[in-house]
Amino acid sequence: QKEVEQNSGPLSVPEGAIASLNCTYSDRGSQSFFWYRQYSGKSPELIMFIYSNGDKEDGRFTAQLNKASQYVSLLIRDSQPSDSATYLCAVIRRTSYDKVIFGPGTSLSVIP
Amino acid sequence: DAGVTQSPTHLIKTRGQQVTLRCSPISGHKSVSWYQQVLGQGPQFIFQYYEKEERGRGNFPDRFSARQFPNYSSELNVNALLLGDSALYLCASSLPPTRTEAFFGQGTRLTVV
Repeated sequence: QKEVEQNSGPLSVPEGAIASLNCTYSDRGSQSFFWYRQYSGKSPELIMFIYSNGDKEDGRFTAQLNKASQYVSLLIRDSQPSDSATYLCAVIRRTSYDKVIFGPGTSLSVIP
Repeated sequence: DAGVTQSPTHLIKTRGQQVTLRCSPISGHKSVSWYQQVLGQGPQFIFQYYEKEERGRGNFPDRFSARQFPNYSSELNVNALLLGDSALYLCASSLPPTRTEAFFGQGTRLTVV
């Protein structure tokens, strides 16, 4: 079992719809959870982070965390063509250092 | 404020050569991490440095080494380059222990021929 798993996609949604991106992780000691957006040929850009169970909203983005189910998701409301990118889930377990594990990413395409 | 800066942005090297990549963190950030990202995959952790000490190392061979300087900038060195080392090398800075969010530089695209 991979440490962090994501649906590889591609996920296609029409403009204006809600895009739902999912991530599961295997290490129950994981403490911090991040979503990065990566455009083709560019570096990852941090868009959301969440530490506690529940929902966290920032503009059109909502991150949801369920530690019992080892599941974290990202919802993008009113999807725009500019949201078309690969979305990376990252999980941190703090030991002697911040051990960061990235998922393989989900490719999102928003169709005008 | 300037973000994380990396140099060079692109590099072409021959098998067997050595390469040094450089990273300057966000002002005030004391931790630098290095990642390797192969096309189609998520970034893979290589090193984390904090306060000039190596705090963590990923599953990479000893050909990979790094260091952090007193001004918190960092270098990643790769010796005896292989074709499989071709990748996007990413540097990220963060502000532990209170904050774990990591911010990435633009990356260095290394091509080994």
